[in-house]
Amino acid sequence: ETGVTQSPTHLIKTRGQQVTLRCSSQSGHNTVSWYQQALGQGPQFIFQYYREEENGRGNFPPRFSGLQFPNYSSELNVNALELDDSALYLCASSYQTGREQFFGPGTRLTVL
Amino acid sequence: TQLLEQSPQFLSIQEGENLTVYCNSSSVFSSLQWYRQEPGEGPVLLVTVVTGGEVKKLKRLTFQFGDARKDSSLHITAAQTGDTGLYLCAGEEAGNMLTFGGGTRLMVKP
Repeated sequence: ETGVTQSPTHLIKTRGQQVTLRCSSQSGHNTVSWYQQALGQGPQFIFQYYREEENGRGNFPPRFSGLQFPNYSSELNVNALELDDSALYLCASSYQTGREQFFGPGTRLTVL
Repeated sequence: TQLLEQSPQFLSIQEGENLTVYCNSSSVFSSLQWYRQEPGEGPVLLVTVVTGGEVKKLKRLTFQFGDARKDSSLHITAAQTGDTGLYLCAGEEAGNMLTFGGGTRLMVKP
């Protein structure tokens, strides 16, 4: 059974650019949640997708958007990057909402 | 937004010592989870506590959920160097949204 995978591992962008991060959920999981973890802090909830629909959103601006595909993989898109967007972006999948979440290794984004 | 505060933020101890990490909130969560995160990896779930007053043991780790379901503690007995890592508590809200604490970075020295 393959766990949650994320790509790319690391990414460097400049302020104002756009970025797309990808997540493949664990086999059989239909729910994906995205979190932002700034250096030295705990993860913060961005949003959750359940069966291709957004199912909840944290306190993040609209320039953070996402998608979930029919195979339940997911993308996180961030427009107009700001320096404070530099962080580890974590994806977590679960069998359904309310079940245990399994985290991927994250994508480290650096905005210069 | 509900907040979770963890203390201490940093802890450096010798192998064999005991330690306790605290997680406190002014709000009630439906459940509380403890994770451990290693550098370059995502958090890994250690335990979920649901019932007020619940105590769960995982080898040398003991987890307790407060009676009012607003606070929790993690106690490690006879710490080992392999226990080094970032310990995170997370409260679960409606719809499976997790609110994480700031984490406790534990270093166990040989």
